[in-house]
Amino acid sequence: NAGVMQNPRHLVRRRGQEARLRCSPMKGHSHVYWYRQLPEEGLKFMVYLQKENIIDESGMPKERFSAEFPKEGPSILRIQQVVRGDSAAYFCASSPGTGVQPQHFGDGTRLSIL
Amino acid sequence: KQEVTQIPAALSVPEGENLVLNCSFTDSAIYNLQWFRQDPGKGLTSLLLIQSSQREQTSGRLNASLDKSSGRSTLYIAASQPGDSATYLCAVFETSGSRLTFGEGTQLTVNP
Repeated sequence: NAGVMQNPRHLVRRRGQEARLRCSPMKGHSHVYWYRQLPEEGLKFMVYLQKENIIDESGMPKERFSAEFPKEGPSILRIQQVVRGDSAAYFCASSPGTGVQPQHFGDGTRLSIL
Repeated sequence: KQEVTQIPAALSVPEGENLVLNCSFTDSAIYNLQWFRQDPGKGLTSLLLIQSSQREQTSGRLNASLDKSSGRSTLYIAASQPGDSATYLCAVFETSGSRLTFGEGTQLTVNP
C-alpha cells in the first residue's frame, strides 16, 4: 500500500440513489479526513475520523451524508438520495497523527449525478 | 473563522523563470502550513510542510517560507519547467481544529 487508495475513481449515480465512496489510508495511518471539491471551488473539509470514532464532522451536510471508519476495512463516505449538487470530487487524506504530521491525499472519487 | 487567500489566481510564465506564489491566512494559531500540487483530474501531492516554529523549508527547486505573525507564506519555484504546470494549493492546519483549510489555488502554466 504505497499511498492512500480511493475507489471508485469515477462514480455515476442517478438522482435519489445512494453513493458509497471508499478510502484505504496509508499503512500505519489511523487518522482519516474527507474533503470535497465542488466545480470551480476549493477543497472544503467534511469529516475527520479515527478508527471507530468520528472526531469532527462539522463540515458534513446535516442530512444524507454519513461517514465511518470501522475497526477493519476502509473508511466509507455514504451519500443517500443523491442530488445534482452532490456532483464533486471527494478526496480522502490520511496521517499517522494529527496536527504536526502532513496529510497524504488519494486521487479522489469523481461523483457525477445524472 | 480561518480564511486562506492565494494570489495570483493564475500565472503564465516562460520556461526558466523564477517565480513566487503567495498565500495569506487570517488566524495565526496554526500547527503547520502545507503546499500541495494538483494536476488536472488528479489528487493532491504534498510538496512542502512548514511547522509553525519554522521559517522555511526547501526541496529541490522549491522553497517555502512562513511568517506566522503576519499570516503569510510564499512558495518560490526556481528555474521553472513546463512540467511544473499545475494548480498549487496552500493549506493551514489550525491548533483549534482538526482539518486543513485550503486556499483557492494558483493555476500555473509554464510555457516552453
